Amino acid sequence: GAVVSQHPSRVICKSGTSVKIECRSLDFQATTMFWYRQFPKQSLMLMATSNEGSKATYEQGVEKDKFLINHASLTLSTLTVTSAHPEDSSFYICSARDRGRQPQHFGDGTRLSIL
Amino acid sequence: GNSVTQMEGPVTLSEEAFLTINCTYTATGYPSLFWYVQYPGEGLQLLLKATKADDKGSNKGFEATYRKETTSFHLEKGSVQVSDSAVYFCALSDLKTSYDKVIFGPGTSLSVIP
Repeated sequence: GAVVSQHPSRVICKSGTSVKIECRSLDFQATTMFWYRQFPKQSLMLMATSNEGSKATYEQGVEKDKFLINHASLTLSTLTVTSAHPEDSSFYICSARDRGRQPQHFGDGTRLSIL
Repeated sequence: GNSVTQMEGPVTLSEEAFLTINCTYTATGYPSLFWYVQYPGEGLQLLLKATKADDKGSNKGFEATYRKETTSFHLEKGSVQVSDSAVYFCALSDLKTSYDKVIFGPGTSLSVIP
């Protein structure tokens, strides 16, 4: 079945650091990838929709200069949390959709902890 | 707009008990419906799906039927196991009106005790 790989699975870093998270579709081409954020014991909140070769579409309230998204190829999207602070600590999950097909396939998530 | 409501948890059951997790939705279009499962510390896995009214999705002993008349998609399993302990998310997506965004319910935590 369709597989989405997310890396790294866990990051612990100091405040002020920028952190990059990768999301790869391993056996299909993903024209669209999605980035979610999940706080403890809460549901997933969509942050942005990433389209290959174009600018990401951010949800209301998500700072695009804080969360930089790049989708340079049909198999890779990256999320960079710039100048991370403790309030950015969260579980970040990406998903990808094969062309014209449902459902989305999710990565295993990245646990980001900012000290 | 589109939304998903789930029964509040946490739910604690004994092994081999019957499970029902209620899910209702609101959608302006004709959505596809999903149940996702999240095991501790992991991402989401698709459990089952249904794309039209009266469809029944099933997987690993779990079932859910797309009920358009009651706008519901309740998850059921006849006999739960300890390994079913996880958080379950009901979700919908509607290509026409939501540009393929997936709307998740709040999640229901299930703990199965031996």
